[in-house]
Amino acid sequence: AQSVTQPDIHITVSEGASLELRCNYSYGATPYLFWYVQSPGQGLQLLLKYFSGDTLVQGIKGFEAEFKRSQSSFNLRKPSVHWSDAAEYFCAVGSGTYKYIFGTGTRLKVLA
Amino acid sequence: NAGVTQTPKFQVLKTGQSMTLQCAQDMNHNSMYWYRQDPGMGLRLIYYSASEGTTDKGEVPNGYNVSRLNKREFSLRLESAAPSQTSVYFCASSVSILANTEAFFGQGTRLTVV
Repeated sequence: AQSVTQPDIHITVSEGASLELRCNYSYGATPYLFWYVQSPGQGLQLLLKYFSGDTLVQGIKGFEAEFKRSQSSFNLRKPSVHWSDAAEYFCAVGSGTYKYIFGTGTRLKVLA
Repeated sequence: NAGVTQTPKFQVLKTGQSMTLQCAQDMNHNSMYWYRQDPGMGLRLIYYSASEGTTDKGEVPNGYNVSRLNKREFSLRLESAAPSQTSVYFCASSVSILANTEAFFGQGTRLTVV
């Protein structure tokens, strides 16, 4: 069955520190992968997506993600976190049945 | 550029009451979706409409009905609200139902059933 796992429910980092949010997926074919961000009280905004080609994809707000087929992972990274990055982050795989299968989310807290 | 607009933003219902959540998109998208978001469970698809005139059940359709009123509008109805339907509801739209198309989300409706 298709699934997405985000093993970290909460992550706390200091402003200026680097960030990596983990995402593992289970999908039979080549996946279409997405990262969304949800700021408090807001809807979801697309950060980046992977369909094919270069396994390192760049997104908005200085985020990037790397697709690793051998590890079934699509981890999100940012070299230097800003206080405004505090939000909840969702990884999703495109599904032919239900459009997206979402992970349970990782809530990021940024310390000043 | 409004994108996806949901109304209302907040709602409190008593058990057994009914209500309709409204959603409209101005991006000329063919496909529209209703999700619910619950703590620790991510977003789960309730119903979707691949194109105008069609609707289909998603992962958690029980207790809900939908109407694709026209290409722009997709409403979600709770006929007899239950406390288990307390959640944040998101409407989304995309160019098509295909898995490789980006979905755009509204700002959500926070519903509490008491």
